Amino acid sequence: DAKTTQPNSMESNEEEPVHLPCNHSTISGTDYIHWYRQLPSQGPEYVIHGLTSNVNNRMASLAIAEDRKSSTLILHRATLRDAAVYYCILRDVEGSQGNLIFGKGTKLSVKP
Amino acid sequence: DTGVSQNPRHKITKRGQNVTFRCDPISEHNRLYWYRQTLGQGPEFLTYFQNEAQLEKSRLLSDRFSAERPKGSFSTLEIQRTEQGDSAMYLCASSLDGGSSYEQYFGPGTRLTVT
Repeated sequence: DAKTTQPNSMESNEEEPVHLPCNHSTISGTDYIHWYRQLPSQGPEYVIHGLTSNVNNRMASLAIAEDRKSSTLILHRATLRDAAVYYCILRDVEGSQGNLIFGKGTKLSVKP
Repeated sequence: DTGVSQNPRHKITKRGQNVTFRCDPISEHNRLYWYRQTLGQGPEFLTYFQNEAQLEKSRLLSDRFSAERPKGSFSTLEIQRTEQGDSAMYLCASSLDGGSSYEQYFGPGTRLTVT
């Protein structure tokens, strides 16, 4: 799986939108972009994934650049509960056995 | 609660002792994964089962580590002759085979401290 680059940390104010960037310049055509997050003292949880088109779900939105070399996870209104480490992960679903390759992620702090 | 469960949640052991952790996946999930996470790092893949077959092992899984998934249901991870470097959070995850998502559901982890 290709490597991703994320900022080590970001800060946000409560109830404001948050844009978490991820660079993946070596992404291949069969790589899906997945986001997981890990709340303090918990295991990671799935947030969202996409291939080429922007995606929305109840937790977040995923904006994917046209060349697919970067993506942005968007939390529309940050809450204190969104304070977590966010991981951007590429997965070649066609070729891999399915294990996730985590980087260090972005630690998001949310201020009240 | 029908999520992934792990026991025990915490384990303190002395160097040289053996420890065993248990993971109960979501009942219909045929894939089960073990990861290890040290402080400040993302989880690292250890091994993966599809049903009862162990299909992949990371180079991180030394010969002191062994994992089983009898009958394709729960799984155990045993560490023999523990070392201080084994201190970490051990995470289990499960998923369904197939589809573009392969969304993995993680348990709360077992925190191991080797003194």
